Amino acid sequence: QKEVEQNSGPLSVPEGAIASLNCTYSDRVSQSFFWYRQYSGKSPELIMSIYSNGDKEDGRFTAQLNKASQYVSLLIRDSQPSDSATYLCAVNRWDSGYALNFGKGTSLLVTP
Amino acid sequence: DGGITQSPKYLFRKEGQNVTLSCEQNLNHDAMYWYRQDPGQGLRLIYYSQIVNDFQKGDIAEGYSVSREKKESFPLTVTSAQKNPTAFYLCASSTIQAQKTQYFGPGTRLLVL
Repeated sequence: QKEVEQNSGPLSVPEGAIASLNCTYSDRVSQSFFWYRQYSGKSPELIMSIYSNGDKEDGRFTAQLNKASQYVSLLIRDSQPSDSATYLCAVNRWDSGYALNFGKGTSLLVTP
Repeated sequence: DGGITQSPKYLFRKEGQNVTLSCEQNLNHDAMYWYRQDPGQGLRLIYYSQIVNDFQKGDIAEGYSVSREKKESFPLTVTSAQKNPTAFYLCASSTIQAQKTQYFGPGTRLLVL
């Protein structure tokens, strides 16, 4: 079973700060990487996708991918209390109809 | 509005009972997936289907069954053989082209009476 690892947290940051979330994966052939946000009791919501090495920015969110190090991260700038949620890292599985392998998630708490 | 719907939102199962969770999508996606989420855990793959009338077992298929008679629909049956069914069940769909981004329905929470 290919693994996706995340620190469970909680990660606590003050409002307006940068939150940095990290993820490592074990399957070197993985090609597509995703960050989902999940509020308590709700389903995952796609935040970012990234497929190439480097950075990808979308508003306050930046995803970073380093395939050589098998590492993907998510930066949230100007963090808001509404960003408080669990962030799930997911990686496509080439062997299961491109289903997703998920990490257990990092809990983020943004304090006012 | 395009999207994925799941019903019911909450479902209660008695011992020995089979229950069916509904998943419908109007996104014209070919691929559909069922995941299970336990508290504090990541999502685990139960079944997936890339085309009508075809589906494959995922990592934790024992005690579950599915059908894919229509492109829009992928119902999941939790059978009495599933001894620990209490969980949050999530249905997702994606295209089979490009980067295959998956979108999730709102989920069904299954509880055992």
